[in-house]
Amino acid sequence: ETGVTQTPRHLVMGMTNKKSLKCEQHLGHNAMYWYKQSAKKPLELMFVYNFKEQTENNSVPSRFSPECPNSSHLFLHLHTLQPEDSALYLCASSQDRTVQETQYFGPGTRLLVL
Amino acid sequence: QKEVEQNSGPLSVPEGAIASLNCTYSDRVSQSFFWYRQYSGKSPELIMSIYSNGDKEDGRFTAQLNKASQYVSLLIRDSQPSDSATYLCAVNQAGTALIFGKGTTLSVSS
Repeated sequence: ETGVTQTPRHLVMGMTNKKSLKCEQHLGHNAMYWYKQSAKKPLELMFVYNFKEQTENNSVPSRFSPECPNSSHLFLHLHTLQPEDSALYLCASSQDRTVQETQYFGPGTRLLVL
Repeated sequence: QKEVEQNSGPLSVPEGAIASLNCTYSDRVSQSFFWYRQYSGKSPELIMSIYSNGDKEDGRFTAQLNKASQYVSLLIRDSQPSDSATYLCAVNQAGTALIFGKGTTLSVSS
């Protein structure tokens, strides 16, 4: 798990709070991803960055705002979330976006919105 | 809508038996296929990847791919209690993101 790190590991926030999730990869990869994992649902891709440029936004509500300042760091800014946004948020990275590229996941941030 | 289907389980096997996990996908042009293992409360970790029809073996794990039938499976030989986890099937094609199934929960009893 040390290749991709995420902080915080657990987060509880109210619906009016603003918080940020941080992801850092130490693998020299160029592509980074945010996923949402809710109970009894498949992993849902949220955002993709390749060489710091956002290449996919999977119809994610604007209360989630990603930021990728460089190829090693990825943030997910959260504001005015809803209780249904409570989930495990996973960051992943891969060398690039070629079809055979393996994605490596961070440990995730367990988010609870009250 | 591209879909990846897995039986949610739980699949229960005794220690030492072969566990067979199955996955079907809807997009016929899919090119890459991955099996991830996810322990409760942990993040997914890659077990196997397969890109060509046939079998690919790695230790106790064998991935099988049949593109004509749009079917990929994972066999775990000599199952151990430590194999108890949720197994996620993921599929993609060039230039698109991975599509994950909901996962199959495997329980290996000692």
